[in-house]
Amino acid sequence: ETGVTQTPRHLVMGMTNKKSLKCEQHLGHNAMYWYKQSAKKPLELMFVYSLEERVENNSVPSRFSPECPNSSHLFLHLHTLQPEDSALYLCASSQGTVTGELFFGEGSRLTVL
Amino acid sequence: GENVEQHPSTLSVQEGDSAVIKCTYSDSASNYFPWYKQELGKGPQLIIDIRSNVGEKKDQRIAVTLNKTAKHFSLHITETQPEDSAVYFCAASTRQAGTALIFGKGTTLSVSS
Repeated sequence: ETGVTQTPRHLVMGMTNKKSLKCEQHLGHNAMYWYKQSAKKPLELMFVYSLEERVENNSVPSRFSPECPNSSHLFLHLHTLQPEDSALYLCASSQGTVTGELFFGEGSRLTVL
Repeated sequence: GENVEQHPSTLSVQEGDSAVIKCTYSDSASNYFPWYKQELGKGPQLIIDIRSNVGEKKDQRIAVTLNKTAKHFSLHITETQPEDSAVYFCAASTRQAGTALIFGKGTTLSVSS
């Protein structure tokens, strides 16, 4: 148990569906992240929030929409996805963005049909 | 920008043997080098890290070495055990910040008994 909980663990959706991934951290951290993990590729940073404000967006397509309502919760809203978006989406948190350690959740495995 | 190369992509060893994973980085300004371990069905977890003012760091059976001149760093696992089987990721950063972490593609380590 890392203190970062992601739901759902598995999600299958069609290209026209709208769904959301949820992340909650119980560590008192003030920075949260979304990463995409695809087979045989490095972890790709998608979004960073610090103190509930987005501080970094690595040119992610607009079909991915993040939301950070407070420092403990992070959402990734999904709409009109493509099959190549199928991947493991990892949420992480850290104590500030100037720190050495990221604490990852177990991920949400997304399959886009 | 920073680029991190990791080798090998897969590594199989017998229990009790040593395992070495190597990474090279391109940005000479990088000063923080963590290693993460990802077990099946879980998110990555920090196992050891090193900063550029240190050449080597040990924690029980794992050690990391850094050669700033050659811009490479390595993870050494001694007396491997089956529970060491996992995917290992190296990363490099120009600051101790999750936002700037660039990950390698990962090494799948298999330890057979």
